[in-house]
Amino acid sequence: NAGVTQTPKFRILKIGQSMTLQCTQDMNHNYMYWYRQDPGMGLKLIYYSVGAGITDKGEVPNGYNVSRSTTEDFPLRLELAAPSQTSVYFCASSTDRASNQPQHFGDGTRLSIL
Amino acid sequence: GENVEQHPSTLSVQEGDSAVIKCTYSDSASNYFPWYKQELGKRPQLIIDIRSNVGEKKDQRIAVTLNKTAKHFSLHITETQPEDSAVYFCADFNQAGTALIFGKGTTLSVSS
Repeated sequence: NAGVTQTPKFRILKIGQSMTLQCTQDMNHNYMYWYRQDPGMGLKLIYYSVGAGITDKGEVPNGYNVSRSTTEDFPLRLELAAPSQTSVYFCASSTDRASNQPQHFGDGTRLSIL
Repeated sequence: GENVEQHPSTLSVQEGDSAVIKCTYSDSASNYFPWYKQELGKRPQLIIDIRSNVGEKKDQRIAVTLNKTAKHFSLHITETQPEDSAVYFCADFNQAGTALIFGKGTTLSVSS
């Protein structure tokens, strides 16, 4: 009964480093999403996927890349970390379009770029 | 979708009072209106949603109302309790109708 699992929970990066935020779900959901939440702010959509092999840009995709090789996994890649990418990153999934089924969120990854 | 305005940004009430948060959307084709609650340091969780074929939906102390003519929907919390203190988000769809775009959030503080 894991739901949406994100790793790591916390990470500190130096400027220019790269890393991958992992997201996996065990609910056989087709739709998966990545959001970022800056302190005291709302959720901004980075990328989303409607199924394996399909990804699309959201509101703030610059500086990030994603892939969706399996239904379960939707990793988010930061190639050249910048201080502006300091944020909490949430992965979410839904079985269908969010108009028919709610989005289930993971616990988030807190990322600091110094 | 892709344009949802949420007000107020902060709301302070006394325990037992009612709280109302309003969201305005721009796309007249929008047909699904969710509200999410996020407690401090936690994940957002869906608390109630409404579809465009109804004007109001209730779940115990929480209700959502929809005014399609004016293009706004509101979250109503009655008999507020300290555990209602959280950030509340409304959302609308992106233009493709495939992902939710969230409002900036309302921080609700309930004091006892």
